[in-house]
Amino acid sequence: SAVISQKPSRDICQRGTSLTIQCQVDSQVTMMFWYRQQPGQSLTLIATANQGSEATYESGFVIDKFPISRPNLTFSTLTVSNMSPEDSSIYLCSVAARTGGDEKLFFGSGTQLSVL
Amino acid sequence: QKEVEQNSGPLSVPEGAIASLNCTYSDRGSQSFFWYRQYSGKSPELIMSIYSNGDKEDGRFTAQLNKASQYVSLLIRDSQPSDSATYLCAVPLSGSARQLTFGSGTQLTVLP
Repeated sequence: SAVISQKPSRDICQRGTSLTIQCQVDSQVTMMFWYRQQPGQSLTLIATANQGSEATYESGFVIDKFPISRPNLTFSTLTVSNMSPEDSSIYLCSVAARTGGDEKLFFGSGTQLSVL
Repeated sequence: QKEVEQNSGPLSVPEGAIASLNCTYSDRGSQSFFWYRQYSGKSPELIMSIYSNGDKEDGRFTAQLNKASQYVSLLIRDSQPSDSATYLCAVPLSGSARQLTFGSGTQLTVLP
């Protein structure tokens, strides 16, 4: 499995501001993934971050709201822009790693975001 | 859009009992299935994966897959209070296990 570090672990932000979440992996990976978990809900894939190209966003998520950077094979950032209380969620970085012959998805510790 | 349905629970079982968690999925073409455990305030942790019809056992955990019925379950034998968590079923969005769609999760409480 991969060791995935995220920061900040939590933050409380004001409406209209932006927050950038950082994700660092201990090994080089082609793709990194960003998920959101709204309060009491399950996980939803926001986008896939590819090194050297633009991120691929899932339906309902747009680059202007969630810009993503992927400067190298071990690091990515997700920015939550122009925040509103509806953006209050846990944001999770994840990577796929091959274990036991199969590829599996592993998660970082998450960023708990509260927007006032 | 692929859908994954789980009994939302909450599910309570006494310590030592078998906990049974169920999941159905909409895409008949799904080939791999995953169970994650999420403790309150923590990130999801992969506990089981299954790819073939039948049972797969790992310690106290058994995953069961029935592709004809589009049904996957997780059994936890000899449940312990430390098993109290939310269990998430997941299937790949596309053919790869890199991008998953998750069920809503089943909250399990094991009572001492």
